[in-house]
Amino acid sequence: QQQVKQSPQSLIVQKGGIPIINCAYENTAFDYFPWYQQFPGKGPALLIAIRPDVSEKKEGRFTISFNKSAKQFSLHIMDSQPGDSATYFCAGTTDSWGKFQFGAGTQVVVTP
Amino acid sequence: DTAVSQTPKYLVTQMGNDKSIKCEQNLGHDTMYWYKQDSKKFLKIMFSYNNKELIINETVPNRFSPKSPDKAHLNLHINSLELGDSAVYFCASSPTSALEQFFGPGTRLTVL
Repeated sequence: QQQVKQSPQSLIVQKGGIPIINCAYENTAFDYFPWYQQFPGKGPALLIAIRPDVSEKKEGRFTISFNKSAKQFSLHIMDSQPGDSATYFCAGTTDSWGKFQFGAGTQVVVTP
Repeated sequence: DTAVSQTPKYLVTQMGNDKSIKCEQNLGHDTMYWYKQDSKKFLKIMFSYNNKELIINETVPNRFSPKSPDKAHLNLHINSLELGDSAVYFCASSPTSALEQFFGPGTRLTVL
């Protein structure tokens, strides 16, 4: 049973566009929601993370929007660049041991 | 360089063989993980160790056995390899006091 559902599976945007990736979770005990970025042939790397007591968090061009009542959160990539082309994973966890439940990933392609 | 390293990067082997993947981190972290990323890029946690103690043991075949000789190393031994074991295996680490996980570069295992 997949506890974090991620969509879309892939998306293509032009440079400067705003790709939006959505995630929905089931476990209301989740208290930490990270986003990881993975380039081909590399391991995932933490991009940005949020706690459920915050509705929005920005780091550079990356923004997480969080809707606790709807159990949904999303990643926006502002002014996207070709270098942002990667696979993005959302996740949720409920404990300090970091047992992440990952979404299925979204492959983002930013065209020049 | 401070990082999570894995060896080998690629592993091609025949069905039925036994193989090991090694992981080392020099970040001073207390917790280490093994993940499996399948052909659809889905990331699933397999095991986690905190200070050499097994704390997460997901439902994986008992052909997979992790070993942590010290808190900087977490190795994965796989017996009687099957075609379905073909995947990319990632090692990761995190400090006990924080949830960010640092991933290694991955080991692509191909079972023929």
